[in-house]
This record gives sequence, C-alpha cells and structure tokens, in this order.
Amino acid sequence: QTVVTQEPSFSVSPGGTVTLTCGLSSGSVSTGYYPSWYQQTPGQAPRTLIYNTNTRSSGVPNRFSGSILGNKAALTITGAQADDESDYYCVLYMGSGISVFGGGTKVTVL
Amino acid sequence: EVQLLESGGGLVQPGGSLRLSCAASGFIFSSYAMSWVRQAPGKGLEWVSALSGSGGSTHYADSVKGRFTISRDNSKNTLYLQMNSPRAEDTAIYYCAKGDQLLRIYYFDYWGQGTLVTVSS
Repeated sequence: QTVVTQEPSFSVSPGGTVTLTCGLSSGSVSTGYYPSWYQQTPGQAPRTLIYNTNTRSSGVPNRFSGSILGNKAALTITGAQADDESDYYCVLYMGSGISVFGGGTKVTVL
Repeated sequence: EVQLLESGGGLVQPGGSLRLSCAASGFIFSSYAMSWVRQAPGKGLEWVSALSGSGGSTHYADSVKGRFTISRDNSKNTLYLQMNSPRAEDTAIYYCAKGDQLLRIYYFDYWGQGTLVTVSS
C-alpha cells in the first residue's frame, strides 16, 4: 500500500520561509500525480491552496507556491505570517479514481 | 457561489446504518465528480470515496470498501454516502468535496463544513 509522506511539524519565524514536502513511500512524485495542497485551521474545513503542482487557487496569496523538488512535491511559504499557522495536507492522485492524503504537517509561526 | 452543505451525521451504533447527504449549489452539479473525505478526532484527512458526474463510476478507500456506498441524485443536486455496518474507527467529521472534472478528481476545489458521525453503543 502506497503511503504519502509529510513532515509531522515545522516551525518558522514571522517573515521567514518554510518548505513542506510530500513524498511517496515507494517511488518519486511527479506532475503526473497532480499534487495539490490544502490548509486547515482547527475546527475549520480544509481550504484549497495549490493544485496541479503549482497553480494557486483563487484568492490564495502569492507567498504560497508549489513545485517539484527532487523526488517530492513541495509547498513553500515565503514571508510567513501569523495566520499561516495551520495544518497543511498534500494529496496525490494515484490513478483509477483513487486519491491519497499525506499525514499532514503542522506549521507553527513563532 | 459554490456551496456544499452536509447533513445526516449523528450517533450510530456499531453494525447499524446511516446516510449522509451533501446538498450542492452554485455550479452545474452533474458536470463534476464529487467525493467524501473524513477526519477522525485529532487525526489527519482521509479520502473515503468518489464518483463521477454521472454516478456511473465509483471508487472507495480500502477501509470502507464493501460497507459504504457513494451515490448522487443529479436532479436534486445532492451527494450521498450510505454507511452500513459502521465501526468505531469510522467516527469522524465527514466532508463533502467537489472535484475539478467530470470523470475523475485530480484535486478538490470546494469543501463543505462537514458533518460529525459518532459510532458508539
């Protein structure tokens, strides 16, 4: 069974930059997995940030960017703000109608 | 404005049944695949199931296959999740999510607010 991997947690200073990654337990992530990223704050529904690797969803600030770094998908927050403190999830499309979420990364801004 | 409104959550006994609904508005419902995603208390998001715009193609996570059934009524702009023989580990907030395409979901572009399902005797 394929597992999508994410760092459990990251800490970033206000104004700093942090890169979260999304990998596979076996193999490399490519654009063919259509990586997408979602932000979730406690008690709220997820919010779509990035889709198709690097396309920002409507209304998402340009401090959020997506890419492929090496063999993983990546979400970079440049110039982190206090309200970026959230959980971040990646999703990979595995084919045959199946999507798999990563375990999520908790980002703390302090 | 796209809106997704889930309902039907509540307390259900193990081995019982429950049907969740998701009322959609603000887009041509039949033109998009839809999905259910859940989140157990204190845990991460988990993809549960998806179906195509026509409802003719369905997909399930291994954890619910054979117990849950996803369906849709395009005349009522409503998505459903029939939960049969639920287990304690099915306790979660269930989110309805809109897909980006007709036949499959490469990403989820809109989310409902979720409905809580608690499986307990």
